[in-house]
Amino acid sequence: EVQLVESGGDLVQPGGSLRLSCAASGFTFSTYWMSWVRQAPGKGLEWVANIKQDGSEKYFVDSVKGRFTISRDNAKNSLYLQMNSLRAEDTAVYFCARDHIEGLYFYFDVWGKGTTVTVSS
Amino acid sequence: DFVMTQSPDSLAVSLGERATINCKSSQTVLYSSNNRNYLAWYQHKPEQPPRLLISWASTRQSGVPDRFSGSGSGTDFTLTISSLQAEDVAVYYCQQYYSNPPTFGQGTKLEIK
Repeated sequence: EVQLVESGGDLVQPGGSLRLSCAASGFTFSTYWMSWVRQAPGKGLEWVANIKQDGSEKYFVDSVKGRFTISRDNAKNSLYLQMNSLRAEDTAVYFCARDHIEGLYFYFDVWGKGTTVTVSS
Repeated sequence: DFVMTQSPDSLAVSLGERATINCKSSQTVLYSSNNRNYLAWYQHKPEQPPRLLISWASTRQSGVPDRFSGSGSGTDFTLTISSLQAEDVAVYYCQQYYSNPPTFGQGTKLEIK
């Protein structure tokens, strides 16, 4: 069964850091681009970042550039999101998703259930 | 960035009746070179991962019941559930992948009347 399982969500103070993980199974992880997508309370979905199969290319939404980094370990079938300088507006459920690439563009064909990040003092 | 606007925000439909959700893009998502609309639809039920239903505006994914259909072109799109079942209660999102970053509609909450 194709599956993505996120972990690492927590309550963190503004300015703090957190590292999210996503464990992939049921498919050849190393052959796919992967993304993080988030959903703030009462809001819609927002793509956050993605990473190429070998980690050589990474892209971010403007609101997290310079604060978040994305990485992967293909030997462990795992995706990560390092979040620094967290703000209240980063409060959201964070989903790991597998990209379906069409040229330069992509949609998401497999998702995890998400992990909750709350930024509050 | 492309702005995707869904209507209505919420919808209540009787079991067995048709449900229609609309999605409008601020710019065209139709690529003239290949005549394809870069538009996807997702279903999100509580406590479950979001599920890809439709890509290319009208191509149903494997395993998706044929009561789900997508239509439209350019800037205006529709997701139709021909005969609503209880298990279709969810929030539905459209997403454009014509331009980066990919962007989603705000979601439409579908309930049983």
